[in-house]
Amino acid sequence: IAGITQAPTSQILAAGRRMTLRCTQDMRHNAMYWYRQDLGLGLRLIHYSNTAGTTGKGEVPDGYSVSRANTDDFPLTLASAVPSQTSVYFCASSAGTGENQPQHFGDGTRLSIL
Amino acid sequence: GQNIDQPTEMTATEGAIVQINCTYQTSGFNGLFWYQQHAGEAPTFLSYNVLDGLEEKGRFSSFLSRSKGYSYLLLKELQMKDSASYLCAVMDSNYQLIWGAGTKLIIKP
Repeated sequence: IAGITQAPTSQILAAGRRMTLRCTQDMRHNAMYWYRQDLGLGLRLIHYSNTAGTTGKGEVPDGYSVSRANTDDFPLTLASAVPSQTSVYFCASSAGTGENQPQHFGDGTRLSIL
Repeated sequence: GQNIDQPTEMTATEGAIVQINCTYQTSGFNGLFWYQQHAGEAPTFLSYNVLDGLEEKGRFSSFLSRSKGYSYLLLKELQMKDSASYLCAVMDSNYQLIWGAGTKLIIKP
């Protein structure tokens, strides 16, 4: 079944550790996104990529980095995790970046930083 | 700044109709999306409006007034499975989605 796969599903991590969240899509979508979702807040964009080989910063990029070496994969790295990065992380993709381009979401990664 | 407002929580009865409102102030407008998110799951796309008026999709309809910065999602013939959060998102001038915090809809028998 076509879609977006995120891994791991959940993780508990010690503060200061490095962590990479994986995201793979098989829909050949050009654009990909990383969001975090916290209770009482809307989804907040961390980083995005409009096409393979390019990335951009979203609303809350500090402490996170991404790469887009090919169309399918868009990993998110926390270089040195801090407790404020405890959140649910969603990866999403869309066919393009213009109007009427709905984003499709993976099932999320629940990350706890202790 | 950019802002999307939705009620935090609403309660409705199975079989009834409910309207979830969304007001927005954004830098530019390239369309408004509604998503459904069941607890512990991913958001799923429901509807898209870019022109004023009503878009109907089965039991769900979405309305947009660009001049008022206002949209609503109308759910008819409510079913227990409609219990979820409903997220309003506006695409701004940079084609980025600005998200509301979501409205948690509770359906009672």
